[in-house]
Amino acid sequence: EVQLVQSGAEVKKPGESLKISCKGSGYSFTSYWIGWVRQMPGKGLEWMGIIYPGDSDTRYSPSFQGQVTISADKSISTAYLQWSSLKASDTAMYYCARWATAVAGTPFFDYWGQGTLVTVSS
Amino acid sequence: DIQMTQSPSSLSASVGDRVTITCRASQSISSYLNWYQQKPGKAPKLLIYAASSLQSGVPSRFSGSGSGTDFTLTISSLQPEDFATYYCQQSYSTLFMYTFGQGTKLEIK
Repeated sequence: EVQLVQSGAEVKKPGESLKISCKGSGYSFTSYWIGWVRQMPGKGLEWMGIIYPGDSDTRYSPSFQGQVTISADKSISTAYLQWSSLKASDTAMYYCARWATAVAGTPFFDYWGQGTLVTVSS
Repeated sequence: DIQMTQSPSSLSASVGDRVTITCRASQSISSYLNWYQQKPGKAPKLLIYAASSLQSGVPSRFSGSGSGTDFTLTISSLQPEDFATYYCQQSYSTLFMYTFGQGTKLEIK
């Protein structure tokens, strides 16, 4: 069974650093891209970026480039999303999801983590 | 980058109704269009990929159509468990920018 299990909720102060995780199981972790999606309170889904754990090729949405770092450790089938200096506006739910490709070549997120709630408040 | 616009933003309907949600892309995306359902406090769930392909395990009352810039998600006969927010997403971008629509909240009338 394919599963993505994310780390637990975090409460941080502005300016602090944070790294959240997403552990994959039940499939070849190095063969699928993993993406990160932000959902601010009461708002929609925003594409943040994506990583291929096989070679750590990483692409970012321009909106998030330089604001976060996406990484992966294939030895433990885990992807990460990290901040070096959090802001109150980073308060949101963050989802990881597996980016799969249909036979016809059209990609989609087929499995999602349960989400990690990050709260940044002084 | 490609912008995705859904309409309506919210919709009230009754159990048994037929409902259609529209998604428009700012440029042609062929059939590179996915639909997700999200219930409160839960992660999104894939319903439709490649504009019209039903994801395994998704009830057949859900269907998708369209190509190019205009797409629709149709629920043929609303069930109580279908009240949720629906998002479209384009997966066409060559820049790895796979944007979502703003969402359509489907509420009980």
